[in-house]
Amino acid sequence: DAGVIQSPRHEVTEMGQEVTLRCKPISGHDYLFWYRQTMMRGLELLIYFNNNVPIDDSGMPEDRFSAKMPNASFSTLKIQPSEPRDSAVYFCASSGTGSGNTIYFGEGSWLTVV
Amino acid sequence: ELKVEQNPLFLSMQEGKNYTIYCNYSTTSDRLYWYRQDPGKSLESLFVLLSNGAVKQEGRLMASLDTKARLSTLHITAAVHDLSATYFCAVDISFNTDKLIFGTGTRLQVFP
Repeated sequence: DAGVIQSPRHEVTEMGQEVTLRCKPISGHDYLFWYRQTMMRGLELLIYFNNNVPIDDSGMPEDRFSAKMPNASFSTLKIQPSEPRDSAVYFCASSGTGSGNTIYFGEGSWLTVV
Repeated sequence: ELKVEQNPLFLSMQEGKNYTIYCNYSTTSDRLYWYRQDPGKSLESLFVLLSNGAVKQEGRLMASLDTKARLSTLHITAAVHDLSATYFCAVDISFNTDKLIFGTGTRLQVFP
């Protein structure tokens, strides 16, 4: 399997612009997670889905952030409008039956908002 | 408030030496994960500990879990330079839903 695939790998955008991050989980996995990593706050869970349904979005920082999972093989995390404090690495991860309880992370999307 | 604390935060050690990284957490959980992250890279799963008393070993790394003490350890034996990385523990707080809360991370540097 190709693993968890994220795009874009790197993005630089101007404050106020909309940013969309994409994730393709490992085939067959029924859990999908979005994490954010910064030096100040470490790794934070933003939201997670089970069978395409959002289960817990309590980590989403504010209304500017939204996430969707329209089908089992695709999820998006959108920031609108973006702000410099959103600069971080955003990781998508997936897990499920047969993964041995292991949660697999993608390579991350490095976002810089200027 | 849920806390997952690691110590030390930074560890510089000589090759060939042994050391232990500690992970304390403040809530009930019977699943704990250890991950490795190289600079600019993703997180690589090292161990999944599923029950009290669980012990797993891979190469020079050994992890253990004491759910009663809410403590996990990652022991490094005869460190080598290739082990230099940041190590994270993470606690599953939702009982089998894989909702992980990560520790602060321990940055390990192994020098000759």
